[in-house]
Amino acid sequence: GDSVTQMEGPVTLSEEAFLTINCTYTATGYPSLFWYVQYPGEGLQLLLKATKADDKGSNKGFEATYRKETTSFHLEKGSVQVSDSAVYFCALSGNSGYALNFGKGTSLLVTP
Amino acid sequence: KAGVTQTPRYLIKTRGQQVTLSCSPISGHRSVSWYQQTPGQGLQFLFEYFSETQRNKGNFPGRFSGRQFSNSRSEMNVSTLELGDSALYLCASSLQGRPPTDTQYFGPGTRLTVL
Repeated sequence: GDSVTQMEGPVTLSEEAFLTINCTYTATGYPSLFWYVQYPGEGLQLLLKATKADDKGSNKGFEATYRKETTSFHLEKGSVQVSDSAVYFCALSGNSGYALNFGKGTSLLVTP
Repeated sequence: KAGVTQTPRYLIKTRGQQVTLSCSPISGHRSVSWYQQTPGQGLQFLFEYFSETQRNKGNFPGRFSGRQFSNSRSEMNVSTLELGDSALYLCASSLQGRPPTDTQYFGPGTRLTVL
């Protein structure tokens, strides 16, 4: 079945450092890919998405490119801020459409 | 526009009891999905409702059930609670429930603790 694998956390970075959170997936067909973010005490917010190969999703300085050849959707940001501290989830939706299949999440802590 | 609301936010129950959680979607959204979030298993899909019909169900025992009302509000019920049911239960709503064209908007969740 479909699955998503994320790098283990926690990830600790200093402010203004470069961020990469790795995400790879296994799916049949052509899934859509998402990054969600969860701030403490809150629900999940959609950060960005990509619906086909080579698509690049971007939002709030974060970017991820849908790489079908490597089945990856790595999240990057050039300069993180303390306010980016949160848990980041990679997810896919397969051909059935309805359900999101999430990775385990990667906790990010950005220190001043 | 008001977001997805879930009530209650926190709940403590004992083993064997049953519990009902409520979710009010964003106005105009007709699809409601439920997810269970635990430290060990992460986020797992429970079920999805559209226009009062369950369209899809995850791999959970029959103790987990849900329904949707004509105003799109949804409830989920867990009967005969077990310690392993302790989790954050998240509700998400979208217009039609069809990613990626439909974005799923999540509520803050209900934290259920089973003692």
